[in-house]
Amino acid sequence: DIQMTQSPSSLSASVGDRVTITCRASHDIYNYLAWYQQKPGKVPKVLIYAASTLQSGVPSRFSGSGSGTDFTLTITSLRPEDVATYYCQHHNNAPPTFGQGTKVEIK
Amino acid sequence: QLLESGGGLVQPGGSQRLSCAASGFTFSNYAMSWVRQAPGKGLEWVSGISRSGVHTYSVDSVTDRFTISRDNSKNTLYLQMNSLRADDTAVYYCAKHFGEDYYHSCMDVWGKGTTVTVSS
Repeated sequence: DIQMTQSPSSLSASVGDRVTITCRASHDIYNYLAWYQQKPGKVPKVLIYAASTLQSGVPSRFSGSGSGTDFTLTITSLRPEDVATYYCQHHNNAPPTFGQGTKVEIK
Repeated sequence: QLLESGGGLVQPGGSQRLSCAASGFTFSNYAMSWVRQAPGKGLEWVSGISRSGVHTYSVDSVTDRFTISRDNSKNTLYLQMNSLRADDTAVYYCAKHFGEDYYHSCMDVWGKGTTVTVSS
């Protein structure tokens, strides 16, 4: 199985800050990577798929990049409503495993 | 829209069948998955099924105990869970994939989840 490792596990940033979360795959997954946002007490929601394609309706302050084994989710200007846990997930083969999550809080 | 049902309290070693009723899209065109989240923990993909139902896959920890299936005539996804253990306690989400397979497309629609608690 492909292992997905996210860093950091948690972060605290100020409103307006640029936030970067990284995800590393144990094997080459090409660009088969998605990012999900799960707000407290809510259902996960896909933000980005195919590493860099923004899901319809997702604000443009979110962006994704990377290929192969190293990927990044960036929030260009953090807003209070972005408080959530963010998960990466590969979709290169089965099982499509998730990273352990990165909890984002407001400082 | 996806609506899960069938969760509840079950004793260790017991069985439970979860259902997920789909509406608002052509169910038979898309792969489906079950994803679970133990209390205070992260997301774990559990099982997936192709649009036709022919191809399925489950993670090692459940592969000999859980069975995923679907009835395209009823727009419903199922998860039959047997020999349940305490570490199966979680919220179980039903999710629709973008495409027809579960390993080359991510999940774009999620249900609200149903809680399964395994305890004596």
